Amino acid sequence: EIVMTQTPLLPVTLGQSASISCRSSQSLVNSDGYTYLSWLHQRPGQPPRLLIYQISYRFSGVPDRFSGSGAGTDFTLKISRVEAEDVGVYYCMQAAQFPWTFGQGTRVDIK
Amino acid sequence: QVQLVESGGGVVQPGRSLRISCEAAGFSFSSNVMHWARQVPGKGLEWVARISHDGIYTQYLDSVKGRFLISRDNSKSTVYLQMNSLTTEDTAVYYCAKDLGERWALDYWGPGTLVTVSS
Repeated sequence: EIVMTQTPLLPVTLGQSASISCRSSQSLVNSDGYTYLSWLHQRPGQPPRLLIYQISYRFSGVPDRFSGSGAGTDFTLKISRVEAEDVGVYYCMQAAQFPWTFGQGTRVDIK
Repeated sequence: QVQLVESGGGVVQPGRSLRISCEAAGFSFSSNVMHWARQVPGKGLEWVARISHDGIYTQYLDSVKGRFLISRDNSKSTVYLQMNSLTTEDTAVYYCAKDLGERWALDYWGPGTLVTVSS
């Protein structure tokens, strides 16, 4: 099983940028050559919402303040100009091999 | 728009069984892979099972393999999770989620249904 590791807590300042890191225990490059790493955001009491797939592709309706980068085993979600609605928990998820696994989540709150 | 609605959660005793359902709308259900994931309240997310669009292929989390069965009825746009030999460690909110196709991500999630295993 691939273990995904995230920093548990990230205090941020409104209007500033924030970067959330995710590291996998092995490469997420699939046998087809693609890397199946996605990012989801969950607000309290709500289901998760997909933000980014395949490292850097924004899902439909996701603001361009969100961007993803990385390769191999190290990945980053960047939020530029943090807004109040961005608080909550961010999860990275790997789909390179079964079982699909999530990071433990990074809680973003406002300083 | 895409809608996923889970149902069937509740309180069940250890060792007993429960079937939860997820009814889908707003997309071509029979063409899409579907998943179940779960989340212990206040904790992180855990992927549980996946079923191919035609129901032929399934994958499971090791800890539920042999106890849980994912299935689907494309005529009803519904995916099921039959859970047997439940333990307290299966207590969680269970979400169904739609697969983003060949992008291998979970693009839409239902609101979830709470399953509590307790004597």
